[in-house]
Amino acid sequence: GENVEQHPSTLSVQEGDSAVIKCTYSDSASNYFPWYKQELGKRPQLIIDIRSNVGEKKDQRIAVTLNKTAKHFSLHITETQPEDSAVYFCAASMDTGRRALTFGSGTRLQVQP
Amino acid sequence: GAVVSQHPSWVICKSGTSVKIECRSLDFQATTMFWYRQFPKQSLMLMATSNEGSKATYEQGVEKDKFLINHASLTLSTLTVTSAHPEDSSFYICSVRISEAFFGQGTRLTVV
Repeated sequence: GENVEQHPSTLSVQEGDSAVIKCTYSDSASNYFPWYKQELGKRPQLIIDIRSNVGEKKDQRIAVTLNKTAKHFSLHITETQPEDSAVYFCAASMDTGRRALTFGSGTRLQVQP
Repeated sequence: GAVVSQHPSWVICKSGTSVKIECRSLDFQATTMFWYRQFPKQSLMLMATSNEGSKATYEQGVEKDKFLINHASLTLSTLTVTSAHPEDSSFYICSVRISEAFFGQGTRLTVV
């Protein structure tokens, strides 16, 4: 089955700096890679996703890059704000409704004002 | 998208009792639903895949006789934690996928 590794486990940045979180996956059949933000006691919120037919996707301050050959993908947050502080999870799966997502271990991001 | 409603949002039960958690897909007919468990400061771990009209598929290490899953309709899956123990205390969350995943609100289970 799929195995997803995520680094770092914690990340502290100053407000306005950039934050980068990296994930690797093992199953070459995976072709859907979402990123989630989770606040304490809440459900995960999708912040951006990428499918394997593209290498990069951007949505305002958030971008994701995918290297299918190396089986890794990264989340980039620019101009970080205190409200970006949360736990972020990457995930990987085949792009079908019948397969569960496999999640990374999570990154606790702290943006210092 | 899909709207997924999970109930209850929190429950406290005594050790040895059973607790049922409901997951409803309000606007999407879900032949497959997923149940995850999340311990404090950990990731979401898949417990089982719930298939409408057939038996659930459990992940390795998840006891199927302890975590009973019923998916009797295209809009409802239930997870029953039987003979709950304090170590079953966790955040349980269901999900459906179209391509993107949609999650229920989660259920915080505390076994005392």
